[in-house]
Amino acid sequence: DGGITQSPKYLFRKEGQNVTLSCEQNLNHDAMYWYRQDPGQGLRLIYYSQIVNDFQKGDIAEGYSVSREKKESFPLTVTSAQKNPTAFYLCASGERDYEQYFGPGTRLTVT
Amino acid sequence: AQSVTQLDSHVSVSEGTPVLLRCNYSSSYSPSLFWYVQHPNKGLQLLLKYTSAATLVKGINGFEAEFKKSETSFHLTKPSAHMSDAAEYFCVVSPPEGTGTASKLTFGTGTRLQVTL
Repeated sequence: DGGITQSPKYLFRKEGQNVTLSCEQNLNHDAMYWYRQDPGQGLRLIYYSQIVNDFQKGDIAEGYSVSREKKESFPLTVTSAQKNPTAFYLCASGERDYEQYFGPGTRLTVT
Repeated sequence: AQSVTQLDSHVSVSEGTPVLLRCNYSSSYSPSLFWYVQHPNKGLQLLLKYTSAATLVKGINGFEAEFKKSETSFHLTKPSAHMSDAAEYFCVVSPPEGTGTASKLTFGTGTRLQVTL
C-alpha cells in the first residue's frame, strides 16, 4: 500500500521539551516537505528536502530542525525554542518540482 | 512573486445544488495551480491541477476548474453537491513545474464548504 505515513496522530508535550514527528513515504519520491497549519490559515512551509542528506529552510524554520538520512524518511524535531508549537503538522512528498502528496498529519499540543 | 486569494472563507450549499469556490491568483509568470481538499483532522488530497495544458481541468469526485488568465482566476465547480463534499478546500499556486521551484507552493487560506440536506 503506497503512501505517506505520519506518526503519531496526536502528540502531547510539556513546554520546554523537544519532540520529534515522524514522516515516512514509500512512493520513491525525491522531495519531502514539512508544513504547519494553524486555524484559519493556509499551510506554511517549515523545511524541505529535494535529495538525501540535503535540506533547506522554508518560511518558518525557526525553532525546528530536520534530517534526511534516508530517501523515505524526513523527521521533524520541534525544539523548545519554538515559541508557539501547538499546531497541525503535515508532511508531503513529491517528485522534484511537481505536485505534492500529503500525509494524514500530526496534531501537536504543547502545554 | 506569487499570491492566491480565496474569496470566500465559508460557502454553504444544499445537497444536489451546484458548488462554486472562488480563487484568484497573482503571479509574475505562468503558474501551476492546484486545488486540494482536506477533511477534518486529515491530510490534504489533490483534487486537480492546471499546468498550462487545457484550461478546463477535470478532477476527482466530479470537480473541475477553469483557468482564466484574463481574470487571473481558477474557480472550482461541481454540478451537484454531495454530503461527502463537506470539507476545507485550498487553492494553491506555484511556479511552473520543472523550473526547480516547486517547493514554493503558496496556499490560500481555505474555503470551508458546508453541505446541507
